Amino acid sequence: ILNVEQSPQSLHVQEGDSTNFTCSFPSSNFYALHWYRWETAKSPEALFVMTLNGDEKKKGRISATLNTKEGYSYLYIKGSQPEDSATYLCALLMNRDDKIIFGKGTRLHILP
Amino acid sequence: ETGVTQTPRHLVMGMTNKKSLKCEQHLGHNAMYWYKQSAKKPLELMFVYNFKEQTENNSVPSRFSPECPNSSHLFLHLHTLQPEDSALYLCASSQDFIGFGLKEKLFFGSGTQLSVL
Repeated sequence: ILNVEQSPQSLHVQEGDSTNFTCSFPSSNFYALHWYRWETAKSPEALFVMTLNGDEKKKGRISATLNTKEGYSYLYIKGSQPEDSATYLCALLMNRDDKIIFGKGTRLHILP
Repeated sequence: ETGVTQTPRHLVMGMTNKKSLKCEQHLGHNAMYWYKQSAKKPLELMFVYNFKEQTENNSVPSRFSPECPNSSHLFLHLHTLQPEDSALYLCASSQDFIGFGLKEKLFFGSGTQLSVL
């Protein structure tokens, strides 16, 4: 069974601080990795689609890196703001034409 | 607003009831999906439709019956559910099937929170 592991499960960060969390996955047969942000009572929203080893993507204060050889991706948030409070989901496609497998997410709480 | 609308937002039903969840996307996408989110579990794929044809049934019990009358609408018909089926049911769409293109991503609705008594 394919496992996409996210750590930590939950994280409390002071407003203004920077933070990062991890998505780990099997390194064989990698096709694509997605990051989604899911705010409470809203829809999950795509942040990044990453496909190449060494990929770095950025959207405002949020960025992500990808290492397919060792099987991990990091999501970084710089200068956390209250609106960053959400669950961050990582999802993996192992092969073309395959289904996407989600991790359980990292729940981020920004403390004022 | 993601362009994917789900109704109802909340649903409480008894084990003998029949109900339906509705999903509509206004994005012109060709693929639609049903996902289940149970407490402390990852999002779990249930069904995939691509160009109105079901391409994936992820070993879902027959008490869940999907229907895709056109590429904009997706239904999940529910009958004789069990309490363990209580969960958040999310609909999603993508331009084409998520495995076909490296730039494909999912657009989600807000979900239906289902409670089975």
